[in-house]
Amino acid sequence: EAQVTQNPRYLITVTGKKLTVTCSQNMNHEYMSWYRQDPGLGLRQIYYSMNVEVTDKGDVPEGYKVSRKEKRNFPLILESPSPNQTSLYFCASSFEAIYNEQFFGPGTRLTVL
Amino acid sequence: GQNIDQPTEMTATEGAIVQINCTYQTSGFNGLFWYQQHAGEAPTFLSYNVLDGLEEKGRFSSFLSRSKGYSYLLLKELQMKDSASYLCAVIDSNYQLIWGAGTKLIIKP
Repeated sequence: EAQVTQNPRYLITVTGKKLTVTCSQNMNHEYMSWYRQDPGLGLRQIYYSMNVEVTDKGDVPEGYKVSRKEKRNFPLILESPSPNQTSLYFCASSFEAIYNEQFFGPGTRLTVL
Repeated sequence: GQNIDQPTEMTATEGAIVQINCTYQTSGFNGLFWYQQHAGEAPTFLSYNVLDGLEEKGRFSSFLSRSKGYSYLLLKELQMKDSASYLCAVIDSNYQLIWGAGTKLIIKP
């Protein structure tokens, strides 16, 4: 089954404790992206990647890191989480670029205390 | 600044027709998406418009007017399962995707 998977789905953590949210897709997509979604706001892009070893900042990259060592995986790293990073996070992928339909993972609900 | 406006919430009756509007002010335009998002779930693709006019796909249609910076999503023969948020997103001149906050559609029996 073609899909984007994220882990964990839910996470409660404390300020300053490093965490990684994994994202993997099995559709051989070049383009991958991380978004956060907060009430009353649209999806906001954190980072994106056009292909392996190529990553770029989105609208709200501060406090986040990513890597793209393999085509299928695009982990999101929070080196020192803070309460303002409490949010719902989505990973997405698409064939080639932004013009194409994006396939979203199920989401990770993160709470930072 | 770049801006996408959608109504926050709409209510409609099962079996009826509803039109969800989206107006945008962006630095350039390279296409517009509509996505559906059920509560607690991931967004799923509905449509993509890059040229003016109406695109029909079953019960859902999407319209675009680039000169007016305007799009709408038309849902016909509404079903209870259509209760969801509908997200409008525009690709700007820098090929960045700008998202609206979404319209929550409530369907009543």
